Amino acid sequence: DSGVTQTPKHLITATGQRVTLRCSPRSGDLSVYWYQQSLDQGLQFLIQYYNGEERAKGNILERFSAQQFPDLHSELNLSSLELGDSALYFCASSAQTGWETQYFGPGTRLLVL
Amino acid sequence: SQQGEEDPQALSIQEGENATMNCSYKTSINNLQWYRQNSGRGLVHLILIRSNEREKHSGRLRVTLDTSKKSSSLLITASRAADTASYFCATGRTGANSKLTFGKGITLSVRP
Repeated sequence: DSGVTQTPKHLITATGQRVTLRCSPRSGDLSVYWYQQSLDQGLQFLIQYYNGEERAKGNILERFSAQQFPDLHSELNLSSLELGDSALYFCASSAQTGWETQYFGPGTRLLVL
Repeated sequence: SQQGEEDPQALSIQEGENATMNCSYKTSINNLQWYRQNSGRGLVHLILIRSNEREKHSGRLRVTLDTSKKSSSLLITASRAADTASYFCATGRTGANSKLTFGKGITLSVRP
């Protein structure tokens, strides 16, 4: 158990819909990262937040957004969903800014029908 | 672009054999890390080696780092069926653009 929690574990929705994925980092960790993993694209970094502020952006689509709240939990919002958004979405956390060990949550499996 | 690239993409060995996986990278790094992912689960950190280190051990794991060749290897000795998983190398860089960049992963199958 990494100490990072993600909800929900599974999500099935339809194209065009909007969903919110939630992540609670390990106690004391200030950075939260979001990753998307699919069979064809592999593990893709989406976005990082550090202590409530956006720190780094990766291959995140404009239809996707995220935020980190004062209690350090984070949410990833996916809107206007397409079939190709079906993937595993992981949240990870680390103590500081980004280059140290990251601790991954169990992931949310999203299926868009 | 991917910083770390693992080689081979897939590896199949018999239980008890050693498994060697390689990772190459392109730019300067501060550390290199290896992670394991069991099917459909989150990545689990295995070991971190800093740029001023050449070799590190952790249980049955041995990691080497050659910064002149920009490459690392992960050796798993006396493999077990439970080692079956995907293995990712990740390069860490500090500074203004500090980040951890993952490779595409190696699929290891250990046959009982």
